[in-house]
Amino acid sequence: GENVEQHPSTLSVQEGDSAVIKCTYSDSASNYFPWYKQELGKRPQLIIDIRSNVGEKKDQRIAVTLNKTAKHFSLHITETQPEDSAVYFCAAGYQKVTFGTGTKLQVIP
Amino acid sequence: NAGVMQNPRHLVRRRGQEARLRCSPMKGHSHVYWYRQLPEEGLKFMVYLQKENIIDESGMPKERFSAEFPKEGPSILRIQQVVRGDSAAYFCASSPGSYNEQFFGPGTRLTVL
Repeated sequence: GENVEQHPSTLSVQEGDSAVIKCTYSDSASNYFPWYKQELGKRPQLIIDIRSNVGEKKDQRIAVTLNKTAKHFSLHITETQPEDSAVYFCAAGYQKVTFGTGTKLQVIP
Repeated sequence: NAGVMQNPRHLVRRRGQEARLRCSPMKGHSHVYWYRQLPEEGLKFMVYLQKENIIDESGMPKERFSAEFPKEGPSILRIQQVVRGDSAAYFCASSPGSYNEQFFGPGTRLTVL
């Protein structure tokens, strides 16, 4: 089955700086790569996703890049704000997705 | 359009009792996924169902756990003879197809005493 590794497990940045979270996956058949944000005690919510026919996707301050050859994908958040503080999960798969272990992002005002 | 509904939101059971968790997908969604999340940990896939069919149950423990998604009504995750290690948040998600975004419910927090 699919195996997704996510780094770092915790990340602290100053407000206004950028944050980068990286994931690798093992199954070359995976073609869907979503990213979820989970605030404490709440449900995961999709923030951006990318499919294997696209190398990069951007939505305002959030961007995701995908390198299918190397089997890794990354989340980039620019101009971070305190409300970006949360746990972020990457996932990879096709019919179902496998989640990474999460990155706890803290944005320091 | 109501989102994914889960009930109960909190469930307390004593060891040996049964727990039944319900999930109503978003309108028009026929695919349901169940995940378990322990505190400070990630989402572990348990089972993927379509109406009246289990598509993938590779993440479900072989004993005590079962899931169904009947033609009518919500999806049910059933845990028999609960043990303390079953204490966790159980999330379900739904999607209109297997290659689409999954929308998560608010979760059921199960506590086993």
